[in-house]
Amino acid sequence: GIQVEQSPPDLILQEGANSTLRCNFSDSVNNLQWFHQNPWGQLINLFYIPSGTKQNGRLSATTVATERYSLLYISSSQTTDSGVYFCAVGSQGGSEKLVFGKGTKLTVNP
Amino acid sequence: GAVVSQHPSRVICKSGTSVKIECRSLDFQATTMFWYRQFPKKSLMLMATSNEGSKATYEQGVEKDKFLINHASLTLSTLTVTSAHPEDSSFYICSASVTGANVLTFGAGSRLTVL
Repeated sequence: GIQVEQSPPDLILQEGANSTLRCNFSDSVNNLQWFHQNPWGQLINLFYIPSGTKQNGRLSATTVATERYSLLYISSSQTTDSGVYFCAVGSQGGSEKLVFGKGTKLTVNP
Repeated sequence: GAVVSQHPSRVICKSGTSVKIECRSLDFQATTMFWYRQFPKKSLMLMATSNEGSKATYEQGVEKDKFLINHASLTLSTLTVTSAHPEDSSFYICSASVTGANVLTFGAGSRLTVL
């Protein structure tokens, strides 16, 4: 099956810093979502981005489908950005059936 | 936007008992729902695909007799952990999408502790 690798596994930032999270996947996808899991376990959908670039406030994401990677940018990080960020992909024939990466644990210190 | 509700959020049970977790799509109909399991500090692992009106499809290695899934309506899927044991303790999360849309919405999860 499709493999999803996220890097880095852990990231510690000072408030106000910028960061880039990466997601590599092993096969063609027609679904890619970035999620933020808060300390209570709730998964919040950040972006649906199987290709192209999107921005939402301080967050933006870019997926280069032909090169099989996606990037999540966080600018001017805040302590509330802390948590685990997951990339999840779905491939053709089962695009809603998401395979998750292992996540990037982000800690933003004041 | 689409909202998925899970209940209970936390449950503690004795070994050998069965526990039912509900997943509801509140403002949309979902012919398909998905059940995931997450161990502490680990990623989400897909357990099964719940199909309204038909049998669930289980991922390799998931015991269908242990984890019973029923999708009796377009807004409700249930996961029953039968004869629970401490190793079944985990965080269970369901998800659903509006039919035809690819964007998955997740419930808040149910934390099961088996004593």
